[in-house]
Order: sequence, then C-alpha cells, then structure tokens
Amino acid sequence: AQSVTQLDSQVPVFEEAPVELRCNYSSSVSVYLFWYVQYPNQGLQLLLKYLSGSTLVESINGFEAEFNKSQTSFHLRKPSVHISDTAEYFCAVSDRNTDKLIFGTGTRLQVFP
Amino acid sequence: NAGVTQTPKFQVLKTGQSMTLQCAQDMNHNSMYWYRQDPGMGLRLIYYSASEGTTDKGEVPNGYNVSRLNKREFSLRLESAAPSQTSVYFCASSEAGTGKSFRGTDTQYFGPGTRLTVL
Repeated sequence: AQSVTQLDSQVPVFEEAPVELRCNYSSSVSVYLFWYVQYPNQGLQLLLKYLSGSTLVESINGFEAEFNKSQTSFHLRKPSVHISDTAEYFCAVSDRNTDKLIFGTGTRLQVFP
Repeated sequence: NAGVTQTPKFQVLKTGQSMTLQCAQDMNHNSMYWYRQDPGMGLRLIYYSASEGTTDKGEVPNGYNVSRLNKREFSLRLESAAPSQTSVYFCASSEAGTGKSFRGTDTQYFGPGTRLTVL
C-alpha cells in the first residue's frame, strides 16, 4: 500500500530565508506526486504536481519540487520565503490504478519577520 | 464559478444525534470525495464517488454514509454522532471518472470545510 511521510511537522523560518519541506513516499508502482497548500481556515489548493517528464516542477509563486525516484522523495523548496507563505503543506501520492490521493500528515511552515 | 461549496461551516452535535453535511460543485466534475482532517494525521479519505450513482469506501468509512444525489452534489451523513467524529470535514472534486485514460493525474479541488464538534 502507498504511504507518504512528512518527517517535519513544523518548520519555523525567517522571512527571505530558504526553506525545504521534506516528503518521502513508498510505492512499488509508478506514482504521481502532489503538493497541496492550506492557508489558515481554508481548504487545500494545489501548489504543484509531478506526472511525468522533467523531474523538476515549479509553481507560480516560486516553489519548486524535484522528483527523485532513487530516493523516493519529492521535497519542496523555495529560495526565499515570504510572510504570506505561512501555511500547512501536504504532500500526496496517487498512481494510475486509482484517482484516490494518499496524503502525508502535513508540515506547518511558519515564516517570521 | 463558486467551485466547491460546503454547508454548514460549523456544527455542534450531542452524542447520538444525526446530521448531513452537504457538498456541491459547479465544475462538471465526475469524481467527488469526502475527507476528514485531524491534527497530526493529515487528510484521510472517508468515501468517494467516481461518478453519479457510484460510491466506494475510503480509509475511514465507519460511522458514515454518503449519497451522490446527482453529478453536482455529494452528501455525508452521520447517523449517530460520536466524539471521535469531531473533526474538520472537507469535500473535494476532480474531473477524473470511470473510463478516463489517465487515472490518478487530476487535481482535486477542495471546499472550505465544515468544523464539526461532537460533545
């Protein structure tokens, strides 16, 4: 069965510093990988996803994630964070056999001024 | 477009009471989902519906029932609420559905959530 591990439950960082949110998955089949973001008191929204092709995917607000098959990882990075990036970030996985997503437990990113 | 809407936003129930959470989407999506979100546990799938007239259990279906009323609406019912069902409930939808060639690739669109407390 698929599973997703987000080892860091909270990541505090100062504004304009770089950040990396870690995600590892466990699956024996080809996977699709997603990062969703949840701003306070809102539902989740897609940040970026990897389906195939280039292993580096980018979002419109400066985040990027790299699919690493050998390390079964899909870490999310941003070179310089802003206060408005404060949110909870969820990594998720699916595969071609299902439309269901398996979510990680989430990482709360707190950006301080 | 409103996207995915959920009612109510907040609800407090006593143990044993019943209630129905409503969800509707206006994106003509085939698939709809109900999740619960608990601290430290991420989102867990309760039920999903790949198309109108079909429903399937997810990871944590016990204590819940669902109805896919039509393509737009997917409701979640708690027949006899328990304190363990205190949670935030999210409805989501995606274009995916039965017969689609590339399963698993579609973005899910989430509603704003319902915060339920069972006393």
